[in-house]
Amino acid sequence: EAQVTQNPRYLITVTGKKLTVTCSQNMNHEYMSWYRQDPGLGLRQIYYSMNVEVTDKGDVPEGYKVSRKEKRNFPLILESPSPNQTSLYFCASSYRGRQPEKLFFGSGTQLSVL
Amino acid sequence: GESVGLHLPTLSVQEGDNSIINCAYSNSASDYFIWYKQESGKGPQFIIDIRSNMDKRQGQRVTVLLNKTVKHLSLQIAATQPGDSAVYFCAENMEGNTGGFKTIFGAGTRLFVKA
Repeated sequence: EAQVTQNPRYLITVTGKKLTVTCSQNMNHEYMSWYRQDPGLGLRQIYYSMNVEVTDKGDVPEGYKVSRKEKRNFPLILESPSPNQTSLYFCASSYRGRQPEKLFFGSGTQLSVL
Repeated sequence: GESVGLHLPTLSVQEGDNSIINCAYSNSASDYFIWYKQESGKGPQFIIDIRSNMDKRQGQRVTVLLNKTVKHLSLQIAATQPGDSAVYFCAENMEGNTGGFKTIFGAGTRLFVKA
C-alpha cells in the first residue's frame, strides 16, 4: 500500500531532550516536507526537500533540523525542544521535487513538550 | 471564508444541499492550488487541484473555481453528505528559494453536515 509513515504517533518529552520524528514514504517520491498544525493556524511548513541531499527552509524552521540522506526517509530533529514546539506534526511527500503536485500526508505525530 | 485566528470559520449545511467554501490566497505568483480535506485524527487528503491557467475544474461532486484577479479560490461540493463533514484547507504553491516549491495553507474551514 502506498503510504507515508510517521513515527511515533504520540510523544511526550521534556524541555531540552533531543528527539527525532521519523518519516518514510514508499512511493519513490522526490519531494518530502514537514508541517506543524496548531489550532486555528492551519498547517505551516517547517522544511522541505526536493530530492536527496537537497533541503530548504519553510516558513517556520527555527528550532528544527532535517536531513535527506535517502530518498524514502526524511526525519525531523528537535535538538533542544521547547514548550512552544508542542504541536501536531505532519510529514508529506509528492512525486516531483521541482514541480508542485498534490501532497500525500502521514497520519501525524502529536508532540507535547513539558 | 478562511482567516487566520484561534477559531476556525464554520459552515453548517443540510444534507443534500450544496456547500461553498471560500479561500483568499496571498501571493499573485502562486501558480498551483489545491484543496485538502482533513477528518478528525487524520492527515489531510487531496480533493482537487487547479493550475493558474484555468479558472474552473470539476471532479466528482466537487468543483474548484479560481479568480486570479481578486486572488480567490472556492470549493463547491454538490449534494453534501454526512461523510463530507471535515476541515477543508486551501493551499497555494510558489517557488522556493532553491528551485523547489513551498506550500502555504489557509487556516481551514470546518464543514458540518446536518442530517
